[in-house]
Amino acid sequence: GDSVTQMEGPVTLSEEAFLTINCTYTATGYPSLFWYVQYPGEGLQLLLKATKADDKGSNKGFEATYRKETTSFHLEKGSVQVSDSAVYFCALSAMNTGFQKLVFGTGTRLLVSP
Amino acid sequence: ETGVTQTPRHLVMGMTNKKSLKCEQHLGHNAMYWYKQSAKKPLELMFVYSLEERVENNSVPSRFSPECPNSSHLFLHLHTLQPEDSALYLCASSQGREAFFGQGTRLTVV
Repeated sequence: GDSVTQMEGPVTLSEEAFLTINCTYTATGYPSLFWYVQYPGEGLQLLLKATKADDKGSNKGFEATYRKETTSFHLEKGSVQVSDSAVYFCALSAMNTGFQKLVFGTGTRLLVSP
Repeated sequence: ETGVTQTPRHLVMGMTNKKSLKCEQHLGHNAMYWYKQSAKKPLELMFVYSLEERVENNSVPSRFSPECPNSSHLFLHLHTLQPEDSALYLCASSQGREAFFGQGTRLTVV
């Protein structure tokens, strides 16, 4: 079945450091790919998405490129802030008839210190 | 504010209690979902409703009973839960490939 694998956390960085969180997937067909973020005590918020190969999703300085050849969707940010501390989830979606079925990775906790 | 509202935010219940979680979406979406988030485990899809019909039930124990009376509301009725059911329960809605999540209900079973 479909699956998503994320790097284990926590990832600990100093403010203004470069961030990479790796994500690879296994899926049949052509899924859409997502990054969601969960701040403490909150639900999940969509951070960015890509719906086809070579698409680049971007939002709030974060970027990820849909790489079909390596089945990857790594999340990057050039300069992290303390406010970016959260748990990041990679996910894929394969549409079924009329609804989507999201498959999530286990999440990667990011801790950014001043 | 994602347009998906869950109540209550926190719930403590005994193993013999009956309680319900509520989810409401104001986005005009046609599909709604319940997910369970436990520590150190991937999010688990529990139920999917599409056009108010249940279309997915991922082997969830019968002590969890969903209800979708209309396209804007989704309930999760709980009875005789176990301590291992303590988790964050997330509701989501979608129209197309993008899902929007509520803030979740933190459930503790004592």
